[in-house]
Amino acid sequence: QVLLVESGGGVVQPGGSLTLSCTASGFNFSAYGLHWVRQAPGMGLEWMAFIRYDGAATHYVDSVKGRFTISRDNSNNRLFLQMNNLRADDTAVFYCTKDAGTSGNYYFDSWGQGTLVTVSS
Amino acid sequence: EIVMTQSPATLSVSPGERATLSCRASQSVSRNLAWYQQKPGQAPRLLIYSASTRATGVPGRFSGSGSGTEFTLTVSSLQSEDFAIYYCQQYNYWYTFGQGTKLEIK
Repeated sequence: QVLLVESGGGVVQPGGSLTLSCTASGFNFSAYGLHWVRQAPGMGLEWMAFIRYDGAATHYVDSVKGRFTISRDNSNNRLFLQMNNLRADDTAVFYCTKDAGTSGNYYFDSWGQGTLVTVSS
Repeated sequence: EIVMTQSPATLSVSPGERATLSCRASQSVSRNLAWYQQKPGQAPRLLIYSASTRATGVPGRFSGSGSGTEFTLTVSSLQSEDFAIYYCQQYNYWYTFGQGTKLEIK
């Protein structure tokens, strides 16, 4: 079955950087688009970033453009989110999700368990 | 940005009863609409996609309907495990989620 396991969360100071990872198994990793979705404490879901199956195209929500970078390593079935210039309002659980298609604009058919990022001094 | 609005924010229903959750899009999303269920401390789970298609393993008491800007998720005969938060999501133009409806035991 599809398994997505996030790692890399933790506590970081405002203005700091952090890189999240997601290790995938149970499906043909290089054939599907992938996303990062976040959920602030007690709040709803917010889509953050998408990367196409081959890594050749990415898209971000406006609030993180220029600060976050999504990337993937299809040789090792891993997804990444590099986060720079972190702010207190970036505090959230970050989920790795699998797109049901290759190039975006499909639903999210599998989710990881999430990793918590806390931005605090 | 397409804004998704869910109503009500909280719905109190007795076990065995029927629950109807609504989701409205600020512009047409065709049938590119998904519903997710989230229980406390867990990741969301896909329930419905393409507005009315149940995901693998989802019980038949869950059904979705609608198109364009108005969508409904219906849970017939609520079971104890159905009390959770439900989110709608449009994927017609990138992705936005509704704010969620909490389905609680009456």
